[in-house]
Order: sequence, then structure tokens, then C-alpha cells
Amino acid sequence: EVQLVESGGGLVQPGGSLRLSCAASGFTFSSYWMHWVRQAPGKGLVWVSRINSDGSSTSYADSVKGRFTISRDNAKNTLYLQMNSLRAEDTAVYYCARDRGDSGYPIDYWGQGTLVTVSS
Amino acid sequence: DIQMTQSPSTLSASVGDRVTITCRASQSISSWLAWYQQKPGKAPKLLIYKASSLESGVPSRFSGSGSGTEFTLTISSLQPDDFATYYCQQYRTFGPGTKVDIK
Repeated sequence: EVQLVESGGGLVQPGGSLRLSCAASGFTFSSYWMHWVRQAPGKGLVWVSRINSDGSSTSYADSVKGRFTISRDNAKNTLYLQMNSLRAEDTAVYYCARDRGDSGYPIDYWGQGTLVTVSS
Repeated sequence: DIQMTQSPSTLSASVGDRVTITCRASQSISSWLAWYQQKPGKAPKLLIYKASSLESGVPSRFSGSGSGTEFTLTISSLQPDDFATYYCQQYRTFGPGTKVDIK
């Protein structure tokens, strides 16, 4: 059974940093592109970042470019999101998600999400 | 980036109704469109990929169609479990969502 379990969320002050982790199991993690998607309270889904299967290629939403870094450790079956210079508008549930493998970034598995709250 | 719009934003329907949600892209995206269902407090669930391919395990009452810039998600006979918010997505852009609630 495919499982994605996020951790690392919490309350952080504006300007602070946080690192999210996503532990993957039930599939060959090193074969799949992975994404982070976020959802502010009561709002829609927003794509944040993606990384290819071996970690050599990454992409970011303009709103987080230069502040967030996606990475992965295929030996540990873990996806990361390092978030720096956090702003109030980064407050959201952050989902770790697996790319199905077709063009268009369809996401076939999602974690349960971890809440990040940026507030003083 | 390509912009995605959805209509309607909210849809009130009854069990058994045929429901259609439309997603439009600001430029052609071929058939690279996915549809998701999300219930409150839960992660989204993939329903359709490549515009019309039904994800494994998804009931056949869900179907997708379209190509280029206009796409539709159809629920042939709405069931109680289908009241939720539906999103379209292509690459890095999600649509704003369509909430399907009880009439």
C-alpha cells in the first residue's frame, strides 16, 4: 500500500524557517517524480514544487522561488521541503504527493498533509 | 503560466442528478488535464487523468472529456458520497474548484 506521511509542520514566526519531511513507503520511491502542494485554510489547491526521480531537476512556483528548496533522499525514501523567509501567506496545509508519471503532473497519491502556520 | 478556470464555482444538485463541471485553459494544453475530488479535511483524490482516463478504483459514473482548452467532468448519477469540491489541474496550475452541494 502506498503511503506518504508528512511531518515537520508547526507554528513559526514570519521570517523563520521550517523543514518538512515526507516518508514514502509501499512503492519504489526512486522511480517517481514527487510534488509539494499546499492549501491555505478555506482556499484551493496550489502547486508549490516538484522534483524528478533522481533529484537532478526541480521546479518551483513563482511565489516560493528563492525561498523554498525541494530535495529527496532516495536511500531513505524521504522527500523534503526546506522553507526559509516564511511569510504569513505561506500558512497552509502542505501535501506531499506522488506524480503518476504521465505528462501534465497528475498526482495519484497524496499524504494527509501537515499544517504550517506563520504568525507572530 | 497557463490559467485555469472552472464553472460553476458552486453547484447544487440532488442524488441521481447528472452533473457536469467545466474547466477551461487559457491556451491549449492538449489532453494533459486531471480532475480531483476533495472532501473537507481530506487530501484530494485523483479521478481522471489525461482528460478522459479513469483512475483505477474510481466509479464508472465519473467521466472526463475534452481537449485543447475546454474540458468537462461528468457524474452520470450523483451519489451521496459525491458531495465534495472538484478541481481540475494541468502541470503547475489547479483550477479554483467547484463545490457540489446538496440541493
